[in-house]
Amino acid sequence: DVVMTQSPLSLPVTLGQPASISCRSSQSLVYSDGNTYLNWFQQRPGQSPRRLIYKVSNWDSGVPDRFSGSGSGTDFTLKISRVEAEDVGVYYCMQATHWPYTFGQGTKLEIK
Amino acid sequence: EVQLVESGGGLVQPGGSLRLSCAASGFTFSSFWMTWVRQAPGKGLEWVANIKADGSEKYYVDSVKGRFTISRDNAKNSLYLQMNSLRAEDTAVYYCARGKTASPWGQGTLVTVSS
Repeated sequence: DVVMTQSPLSLPVTLGQPASISCRSSQSLVYSDGNTYLNWFQQRPGQSPRRLIYKVSNWDSGVPDRFSGSGSGTDFTLKISRVEAEDVGVYYCMQATHWPYTFGQGTKLEIK
Repeated sequence: EVQLVESGGGLVQPGGSLRLSCAASGFTFSSFWMTWVRQAPGKGLEWVANIKADGSEKYYVDSVKGRFTISRDNAKNSLYLQMNSLRAEDTAVYYCARGKTASPWGQGTLVTVSS
């Protein structure tokens, strides 16, 4: 199975400051159709997960543009340009290129 | 508005069975892959199973193969997960989600396997 490794696992951030989460995969996530199926999810406390970003850098509907995704191959990043209080929660990367699909361990973002 | 509502969770003894349901609305259910994902208490997310729009393809994580069966009824806009030979490690909140890459998700249903 493809192992997804996130860092850091804990991310204390001051309001208004940027934040960055790294996600590395144990194999290339480029699919045979040329697409890279790397997605990012947010899980706020007590809520169901919500997809933020699909195929590395595409925003889901309603996602603020302070969130951005980048990367290629095996190395990916989720960035938040200015952290707001509502961004507190756990962030997961997930690969959907190779069966079984797999998630990273999660990165817990908290306000410093 | 897309809505996914899971049901069927509860307390079951090890070795027992449970059938989860997911009622979908607000989109053309028969056009989408569907997914089950679980989350053990205080833990991360684990992909459990996917099923193609017409039910012709199904995929499972190794830990549930041979014990869980994903299915769907497009006439009823419903997704199912039949869980047999349940183990303590299957204890989790089970979410259904639309599409191969899970968006959006339901609110989840808690399955507790314990004697």
